[in-house]
Amino acid sequence: GQQVMQIPQYQHVQEGEDFTTYCNSSTTLSNIQWYKQRPGGHPVFLIQLVKSGEVKKQKRLTFQFGEAKKNSSLHITATQTTDVGTYFCAGPGGGATNKLIFGTGTLLAVQP
Amino acid sequence: ETGVTQSPTHLIKTRGQQVTLRCSSQSGHNTVSWYQQALGQGPQFIFQYYREEENGRGNFPPRFSGLQFPNYSSELNVNALELDDSALYLCASSLGRGGFTEAFFGQGTRLTVV
Repeated sequence: GQQVMQIPQYQHVQEGEDFTTYCNSSTTLSNIQWYKQRPGGHPVFLIQLVKSGEVKKQKRLTFQFGEAKKNSSLHITATQTTDVGTYFCAGPGGGATNKLIFGTGTLLAVQP
Repeated sequence: ETGVTQSPTHLIKTRGQQVTLRCSSQSGHNTVSWYQQALGQGPQFIFQYYREEENGRGNFPPRFSGLQFPNYSSELNVNALELDDSALYLCASSLGRGGFTEAFFGQGTRLTVV
């Protein structure tokens, strides 16, 4: 079945350092979504990318969707302690449902 | 906040028991999806309800069942609980069935089976 993998599983950075997480799907995706889950919290939607090669920015966060629409990345510039959490990419599972296939997630720890 | 509310927030059950979890979707959303999130893993799709009908199911046994009501709120029922059912259960509401819409998650129900 469809699989979505993310690397790294865990990253620990000093505040102010940059951070990148990579997402790879076993199948071509019509779109990719990114969610952030704070420790003890629930996933919160960050962004959706639809077009091949698309790049979107949200303040210090930069999201990219690969040309082949099978991979994506999230880059955070100058991390802050508020960036702590697990970042998940998610792609549609196909068919008529709105189900999402979530990636394995990357847990970001930021040391002040 | 998303406007999606789940109850209860925490629950402890004994193996073999049955449990019902509830979700109120965001106003105007007609689709509710349920996910199971084990510790340290990503959410896994259980099933989805669209306008009161099941609209897709993940790899979960039949003892996981659900309902959606006319006001689009939903229930997740799990029978014959097993220890491995211990997880965070997340409800997500969205508008429409397609895979292009953002999912709004509730805060989840933390189920512990002992």
